Amino acid sequence: GQQVMQIPQYQHVQEGEDFTTYCNSSTTLSNIQWYKQRPGGHPVFLIQLVKSGEVKKQKRLTFQFGEAKKNSSLHITATQTTDVGTYFCRSNFGNEKLTFGTGTRLTIIP
Amino acid sequence: NAGVTQTPKFQVLKTGQSMTLQCAQDMNHNSMYWYRQDPGMGLRLIYYSASEGTTDKGEVPNGYNVSRLNKREFSLRLESAAPSQTSVYFCATDSPFGHFGDGTRLSIL
Repeated sequence: GQQVMQIPQYQHVQEGEDFTTYCNSSTTLSNIQWYKQRPGGHPVFLIQLVKSGEVKKQKRLTFQFGEAKKNSSLHITATQTTDVGTYFCRSNFGNEKLTFGTGTRLTIIP
Repeated sequence: NAGVTQTPKFQVLKTGQSMTLQCAQDMNHNSMYWYRQDPGMGLRLIYYSASEGTTDKGEVPNGYNVSRLNKREFSLRLESAAPSQTSVYFCATDSPFGHFGDGTRLSIL
């Protein structure tokens, strides 16, 4: 079935290092959303990408949507301890059935 | 402005018991969703409702039923709870992005 794969599953980085997570689909996505979930919390919306090749930035976070709209990435520059959490992509395939990627859990080593 | 409100926040059930998880939103959004998140795992879609009066199955609908009572409320029912349904349940709306409730932590013994 249609699903979005997310890699890596876990990432441990030294504080100050960069971090990237990727979402990949075998079929074209209508759009893609990115969320952050802190331990014990609920997913919090970060951004939505809609256009092919779109790039958006939020301070140290850079989000990209692939030209073919089949993949997306979230890159964090110079991680901080506040970046700890699990990052999820969420998307659909032209209908209302919004499903999540498997998530990437980021831990920061001070 | 509460956003998405889920009740209860915590619940412990015995195997075979039934219960309904409640979700209400005050944002006038059409789409509502129920997800489950097992420990250390991602969120899996149980059911969703694109609009009042419609519901559709998600990835893991077995063992659950839903009711979209009106535009505000979307409930999730476990008819006969099983230990495999121990999880955190999140309700969400989406217009144009997801707003999530705080979750219901459900344990089934």
